[in-house]
Amino acid sequence: LAKTTQPISMDSYEGQEVNITCSHNNIATNDYITWYQQFPSQGPRFIIQGYKTKVTNEVASLFIPADRKSSTLSLPRVSLSDTAVYYCPHTDKLIFGTGTRLQVFP
Amino acid sequence: GAGVSQSPSNKVTEKGKDVELRCDPISGHTALYWYRQSLGQGLEFLIYFQGNSAPDKSGLPSDRFSAERTGGSVSTLTIQRTQQEDSAVYLCASSLGAGGGNGELFFGEGSRLTVL
Repeated sequence: LAKTTQPISMDSYEGQEVNITCSHNNIATNDYITWYQQFPSQGPRFIIQGYKTKVTNEVASLFIPADRKSSTLSLPRVSLSDTAVYYCPHTDKLIFGTGTRLQVFP
Repeated sequence: GAGVSQSPSNKVTEKGKDVELRCDPISGHTALYWYRQSLGQGLEFLIYFQGNSAPDKSGLPSDRFSAERTGGSVSTLTIQRTQQEDSAVYLCASSLGAGGGNGELFFGEGSRLTVL
């Protein structure tokens, strides 16, 4: 079953930069790479999307290498409120998987 | 409404009863998705609608689960003869275009189902 792969969990401290990498070994030529964030008791919400190279918005940056087999979500200077689960769903059937649980400590 | 609306937000039922969960997508969104999320787990894909048709039902866990969508808008997920393992949060999402994930998904807050 085609899916993406990402770390189960990561820990960080306030003010640090966090990079979460996802592998997209079966990504299709026309598919974009999208990341979502989920807080407890809420549905996921869109963070950022890109096709290749680098995309930046007010929340995060997304780095995608030329072969598009992976992507890295970069959160600059995280705060406690960035504690959440981050998903890079596979675009085939939109499989979200278990995501990466980021815990930010004071 | 401005966002995806799901109802009920919480449902407690007894084992063996049928339940219906409703999703009202964002107006104009042609694609609609249902997911299930058990406590502390990731999202499990259930079914996807494009308009009123469901080209992909492969995620439905058993024949006790069914879903329909009428008028290209509201969708209902029905679970018959509920079991305790059906207890989870059921999330609905909609997007503007066809499936495949290139459009942003907008999620509702979910319906929390507890089967006693």
